[in-house]
Amino acid sequence: QVQLQESGPGLVKSSETLSLSCTVSGGSLSNFYWSWIRQPPGKGLEWIAYIYSTGLINYNPSLKSRVTISVDTPKNQFSLRLKSVTAADTAVYYCARNKGGYGLAAFDIWGQGTMVTVSS
Amino acid sequence: DIQMTQSPSSLSVSVGDRVTIPCRASQSISTNLNWYQQKPGKAPDLLIYDASSLQSGVPSRFSGSGSGTDFTLTISSLQPEDFATYYCQQSYSTPQTFGQGTKLEIK
Repeated sequence: QVQLQESGPGLVKSSETLSLSCTVSGGSLSNFYWSWIRQPPGKGLEWIAYIYSTGLINYNPSLKSRVTISVDTPKNQFSLRLKSVTAADTAVYYCARNKGGYGLAAFDIWGQGTMVTVSS
Repeated sequence: DIQMTQSPSSLSVSVGDRVTIPCRASQSISTNLNWYQQKPGKAPDLLIYDASSLQSGVPSRFSGSGSGTDFTLTISSLQPEDFATYYCQQSYSTPQTFGQGTKLEIK
């Protein structure tokens, strides 16, 4: 079955850029939307952005000025870059699949999550 | 943005209880409402999508109802493994937003 795995540094310095990748195994990126979602410690979930396998993108307006999402179909990966990070960006970052091939959808498959801490 | 409200933030319940967890949207979202279960240190798991459709592999004791602005997740007979935090999420419009969660605690 399809599995997702996040990778990237667990510690990022304040004002620098957070970079994460999500590798899709057991299936193809094609014909689905893929999202990044984050969860600060002890808090709720925040959707960051989604990307379609062909490159169609939608960002959360609250983060749009700092976020870039991209896809590498041959590698079966998609990635997140968040620039100018602050302590408020400290969170567990999840990659997820949007269900049914729709952008606006439930998230039916999730990665295990990766904790990213922003240090001063 | 559509605000999703989950109140209360925690519920004290017992094994075997019938549990209802409410979720309210700040505007009508039709039936574009999804429910997740999250256990400590784990990613959320999708339970219910489109307000009332059971995700494959999810036990039938979970059910969802509602439309418009008011929704409910029901657990018909609470099992020990159901103690967790439950989140609702709207997929009606972007940005997709989540409620703050309801945590089920042992009474």
